[in-house]
Amino acid sequence: DAGVIQSPRHEVTEMGQEVTLRCKPISGHNSLFWYRQTMMRGLELLIYFNNNVPIDDSGMPEDRFSAKMPNASFSTLKIQPSEPRDSAVYFCASSFGGGGTEAFFGQGTRLTVV
Amino acid sequence: KNQVEQSPQSLIILEGKNCTLQCNYTVSPFSNLRWYKQDTGRGPVSLTIMTFSENTKSNGRYTATLDADTKQSSLHITASQLSDSASYICVVSAIMNSNSGYALNFGKGTSLLVTP
Repeated sequence: DAGVIQSPRHEVTEMGQEVTLRCKPISGHNSLFWYRQTMMRGLELLIYFNNNVPIDDSGMPEDRFSAKMPNASFSTLKIQPSEPRDSAVYFCASSFGGGGTEAFFGQGTRLTVV
Repeated sequence: KNQVEQSPQSLIILEGKNCTLQCNYTVSPFSNLRWYKQDTGRGPVSLTIMTFSENTKSNGRYTATLDADTKQSSLHITASQLSDSASYICVVSAIMNSNSGYALNFGKGTSLLVTP
Protein backbone atom coordinates (compact mmCIF):
# COMPACT_ATOMS: atom_id res chain seq x y z
CA ASP A 1 0.00 0.00 0.00
CA ALA A 2 1.29 3.48 -0.82
CA GLY A 3 0.18 4.89 2.51
CA VAL A 4 -1.95 7.95 3.00
CA ILE A 5 -1.79 10.13 -0.09
CA GLN A 6 -2.34 13.87 0.08
CA SER A 7 -2.49 16.43 -2.67
CA PRO A 8 -1.26 18.91 -3.43
CA ARG A 9 2.05 18.84 -1.50
CA HIS A 10 2.32 22.61 -1.67
CA GLU A 11 -0.30 25.26 -2.27
CA VAL A 12 0.17 29.00 -2.50
CA THR A 13 -2.98 31.05 -2.84
CA GLU A 14 -4.17 34.59 -2.44
CA MET A 15 -6.28 35.68 0.49
CA GLY A 16 -9.96 35.23 -0.24
CA GLN A 17 -9.52 32.31 -2.61
CA GLU A 18 -10.99 28.87 -2.05
CA VAL A 19 -8.56 26.10 -1.22
CA THR A 20 -9.29 22.38 -1.43
CA LEU A 21 -6.98 19.81 0.08
CA ARG A 22 -7.38 16.14 -0.82
CA CYS A 23 -6.68 12.89 0.96
CA LYS A 24 -6.75 9.21 0.06
CA PRO A 25 -6.57 7.06 3.20
CA ILE A 26 -4.99 3.63 3.43
CA SER A 27 -7.28 1.00 1.95
CA GLY A 28 -9.24 -0.80 4.67
CA HIS A 29 -8.89 1.93 7.27
CA ASN A 30 -12.20 3.16 8.62
CA SER A 31 -11.09 6.31 10.43
CA LEU A 32 -9.74 9.48 8.88
CA PHE A 33 -8.33 12.55 10.57
CA TRP A 34 -7.46 16.04 9.38
CA TYR A 35 -4.79 17.90 11.34
CA ARG A 36 -3.22 21.34 11.12
CA GLN A 37 0.36 21.98 12.27
CA THR A 38 1.99 25.33 12.98
CA MET A 39 5.09 26.30 14.89
CA MET A 40 3.06 28.18 17.46
CA ARG A 41 0.31 25.66 18.14
CA GLY A 42 1.84 22.33 17.14
CA LEU A 43 -0.47 19.61 15.82
CA GLU A 44 -4.20 20.26 16.16
CA LEU A 45 -6.96 17.83 15.29
CA LEU A 46 -9.49 19.53 13.04
CA ILE A 47 -11.98 16.77 12.33
CA TYR A 48 -12.29 13.02 12.66
CA PHE A 49 -14.40 10.70 10.49
CA ASN A 50 -15.36 7.15 11.35
CA ASN A 51 -16.90 5.05 8.58
CA ASN A 52 -17.22 8.21 6.47
CA VAL A 53 -19.27 9.97 9.16
CA PRO A 54 -17.92 13.06 10.95
CA ILE A 55 -17.58 12.12 14.61
CA ASP A 56 -15.80 15.11 16.11
CA ASP A 57 -15.43 18.43 14.32
CA SER A 58 -14.85 20.51 17.42
CA GLY A 59 -11.39 21.41 16.18
CA MET A 60 -12.60 23.06 12.99
CA PRO A 61 -11.66 26.68 13.59
CA GLU A 62 -14.64 28.39 11.99
CA ASP A 63 -17.27 28.18 9.32
CA ARG A 64 -14.72 28.90 6.62
CA PHE A 65 -13.49 25.35 7.08
CA SER A 66 -15.45 22.33 5.87
CA ALA A 67 -14.58 18.68 5.37
CA LYS A 68 -16.28 15.91 3.49
CA MET A 69 -15.77 12.21 3.09
CA PRO A 70 -18.04 11.05 0.26
CA ASN A 71 -16.65 7.52 0.34
CA ALA A 72 -14.15 5.35 2.18
CA SER A 73 -11.28 6.23 -0.16
CA PHE A 74 -11.47 10.00 -0.42
CA SER A 75 -11.78 13.08 1.74
CA THR A 76 -11.47 16.82 1.18
CA LEU A 77 -10.78 19.77 3.44
CA LYS A 78 -11.97 23.06 2.04
CA ILE A 79 -11.20 26.59 3.19
CA GLN A 80 -13.38 29.33 1.77
CA PRO A 81 -12.41 32.13 1.89
CA SER A 82 -8.79 31.55 2.85
CA GLU A 83 -6.90 33.96 5.12
CA PRO A 84 -3.16 34.40 5.81
CA ARG A 85 -3.58 32.92 9.29
CA ASP A 86 -4.64 29.66 7.67
CA SER A 87 -1.05 29.17 6.48
CA ALA A 88 0.12 25.87 7.97
CA VAL A 89 0.87 22.27 7.10
CA TYR A 90 -2.29 20.21 6.89
CA PHE A 91 -1.98 16.49 7.53
CA CYS A 92 -4.42 13.73 6.80
CA ALA A 93 -4.14 10.47 8.73
CA SER A 94 -6.04 7.21 8.72
CA SER A 95 -6.41 4.30 11.09
CA PHE A 96 -8.38 1.15 11.66
CA GLY A 97 -10.41 1.43 14.82
CA GLY A 98 -10.71 5.09 15.65
CA GLY A 99 -8.75 7.65 17.63
CA GLY A 100 -7.35 5.17 20.11
CA THR A 101 -5.42 3.22 17.49
CA GLU A 102 -2.28 4.03 15.53
CA ALA A 103 -2.82 6.67 12.90
CA PHE A 104 -0.73 6.68 9.74
CA PHE A 105 -0.02 10.14 8.42
CA GLY A 106 0.32 11.45 4.91
CA GLN A 107 3.16 13.72 3.83
CA GLY A 108 1.08 16.82 4.42
CA THR A 109 0.07 19.82 2.33
CA ARG A 110 1.97 23.03 3.03
CA LEU A 111 -0.50 25.88 2.53
CA THR A 112 0.63 29.46 2.18
CA VAL A 113 -2.00 32.18 1.95
CA VAL A 114 -0.61 35.53 0.85
CA LYS B 1 -8.78 20.93 30.89
CA ASN B 2 -6.84 18.18 29.14
CA GLN B 3 -3.27 19.25 28.51
CA VAL B 4 0.00 17.69 27.39
CA GLU B 5 3.27 19.44 28.21
CA GLN B 6 6.58 18.37 26.73
CA SER B 7 10.08 19.29 27.77
CA PRO B 8 12.55 20.39 26.79
CA GLN B 9 11.27 22.40 23.84
CA SER B 10 14.53 21.70 22.00
CA LEU B 11 17.66 19.70 22.62
CA ILE B 12 21.08 19.37 21.00
CA ILE B 13 23.23 16.32 21.71
CA LEU B 14 26.34 14.73 20.28
CA GLU B 15 26.07 11.60 18.19
CA GLY B 16 26.36 8.49 20.36
CA LYS B 17 25.02 10.15 23.50
CA ASN B 18 21.77 9.24 25.26
CA CYS B 19 18.91 11.61 25.94
CA THR B 20 15.53 11.63 27.64
CA LEU B 21 12.46 13.58 26.60
CA GLN B 22 9.61 14.28 29.01
CA CYS B 23 5.84 14.38 28.67
CA ASN B 24 3.49 15.41 31.48
CA TYR B 25 -0.24 15.26 30.98
CA THR B 26 -3.54 16.06 32.63
CA VAL B 27 -5.82 13.96 30.47
CA SER B 28 -8.80 12.08 31.81
CA PRO B 29 -10.13 9.51 31.39
CA PHE B 30 -6.86 8.15 30.08
CA SER B 31 -6.83 5.64 27.23
CA ASN B 32 -3.28 5.49 25.89
CA LEU B 33 -0.14 7.50 25.26
CA ARG B 34 1.86 7.52 22.05
CA TRP B 35 5.20 8.92 21.10
CA TYR B 36 5.53 10.03 17.49
CA LYS B 37 8.69 10.92 15.56
CA GLN B 38 8.33 13.58 12.90
CA ASP B 39 11.16 14.10 10.44
CA THR B 40 11.38 17.51 8.78
CA GLY B 41 8.90 17.78 5.93
CA ARG B 42 7.17 14.52 6.71
CA GLY B 43 4.19 13.31 8.70
CA PRO B 44 4.55 11.89 12.21
CA VAL B 45 5.31 8.19 12.59
CA SER B 46 4.31 6.23 15.68
CA LEU B 47 7.20 4.95 17.84
CA THR B 48 5.41 3.44 20.84
CA ILE B 49 1.97 3.16 22.39
CA MET B 50 1.35 2.55 26.07
CA THR B 51 -1.86 1.78 27.90
CA PHE B 52 -2.64 2.32 31.56
CA SER B 53 -1.19 -1.01 32.69
CA GLU B 54 2.12 -0.70 30.82
CA ASN B 55 5.05 1.15 32.31
CA THR B 56 7.83 0.41 29.80
CA LYS B 57 7.91 -0.27 26.09
CA SER B 58 10.88 -0.41 23.75
CA ASN B 59 11.28 0.01 20.02
CA GLY B 60 14.92 -0.51 19.13
CA ARG B 61 16.96 2.30 20.67
CA TYR B 62 13.78 4.03 21.84
CA THR B 63 12.37 3.21 25.27
CA ALA B 64 9.20 4.82 26.56
CA THR B 65 8.11 4.79 30.19
CA LEU B 66 4.76 5.64 31.70
CA ASP B 67 3.84 6.49 35.28
CA ALA B 68 0.06 6.64 35.29
CA ASP B 69 -0.02 7.76 38.91
CA THR B 70 2.05 10.89 38.36
CA LYS B 71 0.82 11.24 34.75
CA GLN B 72 4.30 11.38 33.34
CA SER B 73 5.97 9.69 30.41
CA SER B 74 9.51 9.76 29.10
CA LEU B 75 11.14 8.74 25.86
CA HIS B 76 14.75 7.62 26.21
CA ILE B 77 16.97 7.44 23.15
CA THR B 78 20.10 5.32 23.49
CA ALA B 79 23.28 5.79 21.45
CA SER B 80 21.81 8.57 19.36
CA GLN B 81 22.34 8.71 15.63
CA LEU B 82 22.20 11.61 13.21
CA SER B 83 18.93 10.18 11.86
CA ASP B 84 17.33 10.68 15.27
CA SER B 85 17.23 14.42 14.54
CA ALA B 86 13.51 15.12 14.43
CA SER B 87 10.57 16.41 16.41
CA TYR B 88 9.15 14.01 19.00
CA ILE B 89 5.49 14.44 19.82
CA CYS B 90 3.62 13.00 22.80
CA VAL B 91 -0.07 12.27 22.17
CA VAL B 92 -2.46 11.24 24.93
CA SER B 93 -5.85 9.72 24.10
CA ALA B 94 -8.83 10.27 26.36
CA ILE B 95 -11.86 8.05 26.23
CA MET B 96 -14.95 9.95 25.22
CA ASN B 97 -18.52 8.77 25.13
CA SER B 98 -19.36 5.83 22.95
CA ASN B 99 -20.49 8.05 20.08
CA SER B 100 -17.33 10.13 19.88
CA GLY B 101 -14.71 7.50 20.66
CA TYR B 102 -11.47 9.11 21.63
CA ALA B 103 -10.15 12.64 22.09
CA LEU B 104 -6.53 13.15 21.10
CA ASN B 105 -4.41 15.61 23.06
CA PHE B 106 -1.11 16.67 21.53
CA GLY B 107 2.06 18.05 23.04
CA LYS B 108 3.91 20.68 21.04
CA GLY B 109 6.87 18.41 20.64
CA THR B 110 10.58 18.37 21.46
CA SER B 111 12.90 19.26 18.64
CA LEU B 112 16.02 17.08 18.83
CA LEU B 113 19.21 17.79 16.92
CA VAL B 114 21.96 15.19 16.93
CA THR B 115 25.31 16.61 15.81
CA PRO B 116 28.43 14.78 14.64
